[in-house]
Amino acid sequence: TQLLEQSPQFLSIQEGENLTVYCNSSSVFSSLQWYRQEPGEGPVLLVTVVTGGEVKKLKRLTFQFGDARKDSSLHITAAQPGDTGLYLCAGSAMYSGGGADGLTFGKGTHLIIQP
Amino acid sequence: DAGITQSPRHKVTETGTPVTLRCHQTENHRYMYWYRQDPGHGLRLIHYSYGVKDTDKGEVSDGYSVSRSKTEDFLLTLESATSSQTSVYFCAISAGRISGLRSGEQYFGPGTRLTVT
Repeated sequence: TQLLEQSPQFLSIQEGENLTVYCNSSSVFSSLQWYRQEPGEGPVLLVTVVTGGEVKKLKRLTFQFGDARKDSSLHITAAQPGDTGLYLCAGSAMYSGGGADGLTFGKGTHLIIQP
Repeated sequence: DAGITQSPRHKVTETGTPVTLRCHQTENHRYMYWYRQDPGHGLRLIHYSYGVKDTDKGEVSDGYSVSRSKTEDFLLTLESATSSQTSVYFCAISAGRISGLRSGEQYFGPGTRLTVT
C-alpha cells in the first residue's frame, strides 16, 4: 500500500507570511496532484507534476516534484485570507498497462490565513 | 467546472437499509471513481470503473458495490448500511492517460453527505 504523508496537518498564519506544505512518500509516483478543498465542496485540482524536479507556478503558489518522484512541496508566497482551505496532495501509482487507477491521497493540510 | 453531479447531496438513513448514490457526468470521460472522506483518514478509494460494465475494487470496498451501465452514470450501493459508512462520498472522473503517461488528473463532484443512524 502506498502512503503519502502530509505536513503540517494544521497551519494558521498571518496574512502576508510565506508557508510551505510537504508531501512525502517512500513510493515512487508517476505523477502527483495538488488539490484544494473548501467546506462542503469537492476537491479542486490545482496542478499536476509529472517529471522529477519539475517546478510549476500558479500565481503566488509554487509546486515542486522531487527528483526521485517520491515527494512534493507547495509554497505560498504572501498568503492571503482567500488561500484558506484544505490542501491535499495525491499520487498516481506507477503501474504498467493501461488505465487510470485511483489516487492515493495524503490526509491534508488545514490552512488558515488570518487577516 | 467539470460536468459532474451527485445525487442526493444529503441523506439520512437507518442501519440495515439499502442506499444508492448516483454520479452523473457530461464529459464522456472513460474513468469514474468513488471515494469516501473521513476525518483522520483523508480520501480513500472505494471502487472505480474503467469503462461500461468494467469495475474494480479500491482500498475500502467491503460493504459497497458499484454498477456502470452507461458511460455517464456510476452508481454506488450500500447493500445494508452500517454506522461505519457514515461519511462524505465523492465521485471523480478522469480522462486517463495523457501523452502516454498516467497523468492521474481527476475531477471531483460536490459530494454526498450520508448519515447512517
